[in-house]
Amino acid sequence: EAQVTQNPRYLITVTGKKLTVTCSQNMNHEYMSWYRQDPGLGLRQIYYSMNVEVTDKGDVPEGYKVSRKEKRNFPLILESPSPNQTSLYFCASSLGFGTPFQEDEQFFGPGTRLTVL
Amino acid sequence: AQTVTQSQPEMSVQEAETVTLSCTYDTSESDYYLFWYKQPPSRQMILVIRQEAYKQQNATENRFSVNFQKAAKSFSLKISDSQLGDAAMYFCAYRNPNAGGTSYGKLTFGQGTILTVHP
Repeated sequence: EAQVTQNPRYLITVTGKKLTVTCSQNMNHEYMSWYRQDPGLGLRQIYYSMNVEVTDKGDVPEGYKVSRKEKRNFPLILESPSPNQTSLYFCASSLGFGTPFQEDEQFFGPGTRLTVL
Repeated sequence: AQTVTQSQPEMSVQEAETVTLSCTYDTSESDYYLFWYKQPPSRQMILVIRQEAYKQQNATENRFSVNFQKAAKSFSLKISDSQLGDAAMYFCAYRNPNAGGTSYGKLTFGQGTILTVHP
């Protein structure tokens, strides 16, 4: 089954304790992206990746890191989490640049609910 | 920068009735794509319908249709014959497919509208 998976689905942690949220897709997608969802703000892009070893900042990158060493994986790293990073996080993927629009749907993972105390 | 605004934080509808969710956006581009996503309590993001800006015809998907007014930068979603399973948060989103750099692939979302369906 074609899907985007995220782990963990729920996480409660404390300020300053490094954590990683994993994201994996099995559709051979080139483009991957992370969003955070907050009440009243919708979803905002954190980081994105056009392909392996190609990553760049989105609209709200502060406090986050990413890496793309393999095509299928795009982990989100919080080196020193703070309470303002409490949010619902989504990973998304799509075929990538140059794909005809009708074929370039973005697929979302199930979300990770993160609470930083 | 592009912005998307959903001015209705909450809407409600009776089962079998019709409801319209509003969305406006701001862009200087002439070619772009617009989307409606559904987020049920499971939190999964589900693509409901999409519209290509250069197409005059409004998109439809079964009970879901849009009213796309390009000059007014308006993109509303109409749900006909509402069902209990339509209850969810709905997000309007914009994408510029020709953007390079930091804008490629990025979806710009509105704030969301919570839809309640009453039996």
